[in-house]
Amino acid sequence: DQQVKQNSPSLSVQEGRISILNCDYTNSMFDYFLWYKKYPAEGPTFLISISSIKDKNEDGRFTVFLNKSAKHLSLHIVPSQPGDSAVYFCAASAQGNTGKLIFGQGTTLQVKP
Amino acid sequence: DVKVTQSSRYLVKRTGEKVFLECVQDMDHENMFWYRQDPGLGLRLIYFSYDVKMKEKGDIPEGYSVSREKKERFSLILESASTNQTSMYLCASSQVAGPGGELFFGEGSRLTVL
Repeated sequence: DQQVKQNSPSLSVQEGRISILNCDYTNSMFDYFLWYKKYPAEGPTFLISISSIKDKNEDGRFTVFLNKSAKHLSLHIVPSQPGDSAVYFCAASAQGNTGKLIFGQGTTLQVKP
Repeated sequence: DVKVTQSSRYLVKRTGEKVFLECVQDMDHENMFWYRQDPGLGLRLIYFSYDVKMKEKGDIPEGYSVSREKKERFSLILESASTNQTSMYLCASSQVAGPGGELFFGEGSRLTVL
């Protein structure tokens, strides 16, 4: 059973516009959420995170929003750049779960010049 | 910078062969993880370790084993490789267990089992 779901396998946006990547989770014990970015032939790299005590975290062009009641989080990239083209993974962890991250299926973002 | 190094970027093995995937991290991290990445399935946890000689099963441990004899090294072993183990294997490490424990990944090992 997939506890973290990214229902959109791919997303295409124009350079300069907003990219919105979505993630849903089912386990109410999750209390920390992360986004990772992965280029082909490279390992994932950490992008941004949010604790369940917050509903928004911002880092430059990247903002993550958390809606606990809906068990939904989203990553906003504004403005999108061609270098943002990659696979984005949402991940979640639960307190006391010893650091184990549960990942979603990933969304491939293409930013067109 | 944290560096997680996986010994082989690409491997081709035959069904039934024993396969070793090695991973070394240079930041004295306590925790190490092995994931596999498959299209449409994301990253799935195979095994993890919180200390030398300690290991715990992840979500898909069947057909795999691990070894952690030294803090910096975590090995994934396929005792008898099968075609459904063709995948991208990713090793990761972290310092903090629990929320806030960002994972640092290696570049991955692409295994093909014929």
